[in-house]
Amino acid sequence: GAGVSQTPSNKVTEKGKYVELRCDPISGHTALYWYRQSLGQGPEFLIYFQGTGAADDSGLPNDRFFAVRPEGSVSTLKIQRTERGDSAVYLCASSAGLFTDTQYFGPGTRLTVL
Amino acid sequence: ILNVEQSPQSLHVQEGDSTNFTCSFPSSNFYALHWYRWETAKSPEALFVMTLNGDEKKKGRISATLNTKEGYSYLYIKGSQPEDSATYLCASDNYGQNFVFGPGTRLSVLP
Repeated sequence: GAGVSQTPSNKVTEKGKYVELRCDPISGHTALYWYRQSLGQGPEFLIYFQGTGAADDSGLPNDRFFAVRPEGSVSTLKIQRTERGDSAVYLCASSAGLFTDTQYFGPGTRLTVL
Repeated sequence: ILNVEQSPQSLHVQEGDSTNFTCSFPSSNFYALHWYRWETAKSPEALFVMTLNGDEKKKGRISATLNTKEGYSYLYIKGSQPEDSATYLCASDNYGQNFVFGPGTRLSVLP
């Protein structure tokens, strides 16, 4: 079966623009996670979904960031009024259940804000 | 907020050498410790999930140990090969906290 996929693989945008990053989890996985990885650091938790609902969004840095998973499968991370500091690799992962289950990661979307 | 640390930050070894590195995590409210390997331009790949004090896991030439009382885990690679070159990440799962990753150890195996 297919793994986790993310699109686009690379996104270059200008400061102030709106971007959407998409994640397709492994079929049947109920839990979906978004992380952000900046240069030289480990992935930083942003939000996780259990089914359609955001079970924990405490990692979202501010109200410019929002994520949805309307049908409990595909998720979209939305960033409004992008800033240069948003430049990072955005990783998505899915798992069969909660955090203690193995998380399977996608290849990431590299976002560059000019 | 948990602080998960890894050392060394980077490591260069010769092909055939054995090596190890460390992940330190808070021991309070500990639930599980995860190890991942992340090769350039690929997705992070799960290596181990460890939960019990004294756990030892093995996958080919890679093994890991866990000490939950003192809050550390070691990852060992026996007879390193160039294809082992990657960043090795650990992540701590503690009750009441989100998954917290360490900054990773970047391993380069020179042929």
